[in-house]
Amino acid sequence: DTAVSQTPKYLVTQMGNDKSIKCEQNLGHDTMYWYKQDSKKFLKIMFSYNNKELIINETVPNRFSPKSPDKAHLNLHINSLELGDSAVYFCASSHGRPSTDTQYFGPGTRLTVL
Amino acid sequence: SQKIEQNSEALNIQEGKTATLTCNYTNYSPAYLQWYRQDPGRGPVFLLLIRENEKEKRKERLKVTFDTTLKQSLFHITASQPADSATYLCAMISSGSARQLTFGSGTQLTVLP
Repeated sequence: DTAVSQTPKYLVTQMGNDKSIKCEQNLGHDTMYWYKQDSKKFLKIMFSYNNKELIINETVPNRFSPKSPDKAHLNLHINSLELGDSAVYFCASSHGRPSTDTQYFGPGTRLTVL
Repeated sequence: SQKIEQNSEALNIQEGKTATLTCNYTNYSPAYLQWYRQDPGRGPVFLLLIRENEKEKRKERLKVTFDTTLKQSLFHITASQPADSATYLCAMISSGSARQLTFGSGTQLTVLP
């Protein structure tokens, strides 16, 4: 009964490929997020969805496209992967819009681009 | 530019002592501040939240203070144990409309037996 799950846990791929990371939460939360954690452990918001509506879209390359088919899922599709995309990507969710609500994080997906 | 800084990348202390971690911010007006714990290979886990009008918050062996004059939060773990070894992240939610959570780079705490 994992609260926030992500697949895959590890993703190794070649430059130029397209890949997707899936995220699901079973907490009944309305808001979901994607974060990127680089090699220096700095965790940075990429996107946030509230009830399937995009509410935060930080400055990330448009090769990154989030897709929210329903409230419980937020997938991340990455086109034309580059070496600099190598990082750990975390999905998270919270009850409401980003505010005082606790964010629950998934286990992360370690992406390595060769 | 807005910045959140955690005082050191790594902190080693002896078991039983109190660990104190620092989070400083500049060009920021956080309405709330959160502390998370992150273990290797795992996602961050929420520990405590403190509001700008609160000076101190406690939870078991954890204590957080928030000084908006100094623009600083301190995170204390009393009677530290080796199991407390992890990276601790402070995060702030701005009072603006975006209200997104911005994280510091974390402090890696090692409690030595």
